[in-house]
Amino acid sequence: GQQLNQSPQSMFIQEGEDVSMNCTSSSIFNTWLWYKQDPGEGPVLLIALYKAGELTSNGRLTAQFGITRKDSFLNISASIPSDVGIYFCAGPWGGSSNTGKLIFGQGTTLQVKP
Amino acid sequence: DAGVTQSPTHLIKTRGQQVTLRCSPKSGHDTVSWYQQALGQGPQFIFQYYEEEERQRGNFPDRFSGHQFPNYSSELNVNALLLGDSALYLCASSLRDGNREQFFGPGTRLTVL
Repeated sequence: GQQLNQSPQSMFIQEGEDVSMNCTSSSIFNTWLWYKQDPGEGPVLLIALYKAGELTSNGRLTAQFGITRKDSFLNISASIPSDVGIYFCAGPWGGSSNTGKLIFGQGTTLQVKP
Repeated sequence: DAGVTQSPTHLIKTRGQQVTLRCSPKSGHDTVSWYQQALGQGPQFIFQYYEEEERQRGNFPDRFSGHQFPNYSSELNVNALLLGDSALYLCASSLRDGNREQFFGPGTRLTVL
């Protein structure tokens, strides 16, 4: 079935370092969403991307919609302890159909050492 | 502006019982989607409600059913609970005719013993 593959699965970094993670799909997507989830909480939408090649920032976070439309990247600059959490990419099931059914990657767990 | 709210926060049930979870969407949103998130996994789509009807469904058995009310709030019902139904149940709201962004509530943690 359709799935999104996120990498890396986990990261343990020093405070102040930059972070990069990515998400790939076997099919084309017309939307990429990046969420952050803290333990015991629901996912919080960080960035939404709608066009191939689009680069969007939200504070220290920057995400890009890959040119092939089969991948997306999330970067966090100058990490701080509150960046700790699980980061998920998501996209509409069917890739390019305007459906409300989202599929999610397995998540990237980020730990930041002060 | 109220975000997505869910109740209860936590729930403990035994096998074979039935459970009802509730969700109120973000103000101005008309569509509610439900997801199941097992420990260590990403959320899995259960179904979506719009105009009080189930519009899309994921790969979940008929034991999972739902309802949407005229005020757009929604319920998720699970019958004949199994141990494997233990998970965080998330509700997400969106605009049917808007973009594809979905906003999640804090979730209901269901434990089946």
